[in-house]
Amino acid sequence: SQQGEEDPQALSIQEGENATMNCSYKTSINNLQWYRQNSGRGLVHLILIRSNEREKHSGRLRVTLDTSKKSSSLLITASRAADTASYFCATDSKGWSGGSNYKLTFGKGTLLTVNP
Amino acid sequence: DGGITQSPKYLFRKEGQNVTLSCEQNLNHDAMYWYRQDPGQGLRLIYYSQIVNDFQKGDIAEGYSVSREKKESFPLTVTSAQKNPTAFYLCASSIELINYGYTFGSGTRLTVV
Repeated sequence: SQQGEEDPQALSIQEGENATMNCSYKTSINNLQWYRQNSGRGLVHLILIRSNEREKHSGRLRVTLDTSKKSSSLLITASRAADTASYFCATDSKGWSGGSNYKLTFGKGTLLTVNP
Repeated sequence: DGGITQSPKYLFRKEGQNVTLSCEQNLNHDAMYWYRQDPGQGLRLIYYSQIVNDFQKGDIAEGYSVSREKKESFPLTVTSAQKNPTAFYLCASSIELINYGYTFGSGTRLTVV
């Protein structure tokens, strides 16, 4: 079953603009992660944000988490053509005992195109 | 440099044939995973392993088998029982099962001919 869902499915912007992608999920989480995938390649881990954190930064990336709304957003500032890729959120859900389900569940991704 | 190596990059399987996808890591990670990705879809978990000689079924384990005889290696066999094996297969590893990001290999694209 799909836990995280990214929105929008596709996003096209001009170089230098900011890109915002959203992720909604259904059940309580231990942490939420964002990954990037270039076409035909493996995924690259970007950021992990824990359920007790609200915001994290890494270079031009900013991730927010709102557990009350069960949502997260990934902001890429000053985008570059090299940022063109699919971006996935993945959730580590809480198990029945409150611990981890020991697996990440991925959404279908947002395809970001940055035009030069 | 540490990383995960998947081989081969492309694999073609005939009907009724078993094939094995290789996944090797030199990151000293305990946990390893196999995911399947279909076009326009997210990743779906096939199997995962927390430690050597232990592995668990994921969401879509039917028609697949794995082994974890060495910490560095987690091969996936796609058996003839898997009726729709054409997909992009991704192997990943992490320091532990929870609270760490995954490192992914570059994937194996399997096609049934």
